[in-house]
Amino acid sequence: AQSVTQPDIHITVSEGASLELRCNYSYGATPYLFWYVQSPGQGLQLLLKYFSGDTLVQGIKGFEAEFKRSQSSFNLRKPSVHWSDAAEYFCAVGAPFGNEKLTFGTGTRLTIIP
Amino acid sequence: DAGITQSPRYKITETGRQVTLMCHQTWSHSYMFWYRQDLGHGLRLIYYSAAADITDKGEVPDGYVVSRSKTENFPLTLESATRSQTSVYFCASSERGPSQETQYFGPGTRLLVL
Repeated sequence: AQSVTQPDIHITVSEGASLELRCNYSYGATPYLFWYVQSPGQGLQLLLKYFSGDTLVQGIKGFEAEFKRSQSSFNLRKPSVHWSDAAEYFCAVGAPFGNEKLTFGTGTRLTIIP
Repeated sequence: DAGITQSPRYKITETGRQVTLMCHQTWSHSYMFWYRQDLGHGLRLIYYSAAADITDKGEVPDGYVVSRSKTENFPLTLESATRSQTSVYFCASSERGPSQETQYFGPGTRLLVL
């Protein structure tokens, strides 16, 4: 069965600084990979997804993520964070076919300091 | 309004009572999902549905019942609420799935079982 690990429970970053959130997955083949963001009191919103092709994917709000098969990783990056980026971020892994369900990581809470 | 809605947004109930959480989507998506979100666990799938009258268990189905008589509605019932079911519940939908496409989430229902 697939699994996802987000090793950082909480990250604090200064406004304007760069950001990288880590995500490692376990899956027997090339998975479908997703990053979702959850603002306080809200549901989850898709930031970006990787299905195939170019391993560097661009998402909304200036985020990008890179799929690295050799490291089983799909880290999320942003060159300069804004106070509005404070939220919880979830990585998720899915299967390209079959009946596998989407598996979420436990999330990384991002705090932005002035 | 277009999208996915959940009701109620907040619910307090007592142990042993039956509670139904409602979910409605306006996109005619085939797949619908119920998740619960708890600290340290991320999102865990309770039940999902591939179409009207087709439902299947997720990771944590015990104590929950679902039905889907119409494509747009997917209610979740706690037959006899327990304190361990205190959580935030999210409904989601996708055009195809269960993990092959973006899932769109509702705003959540916060349930407290006393």
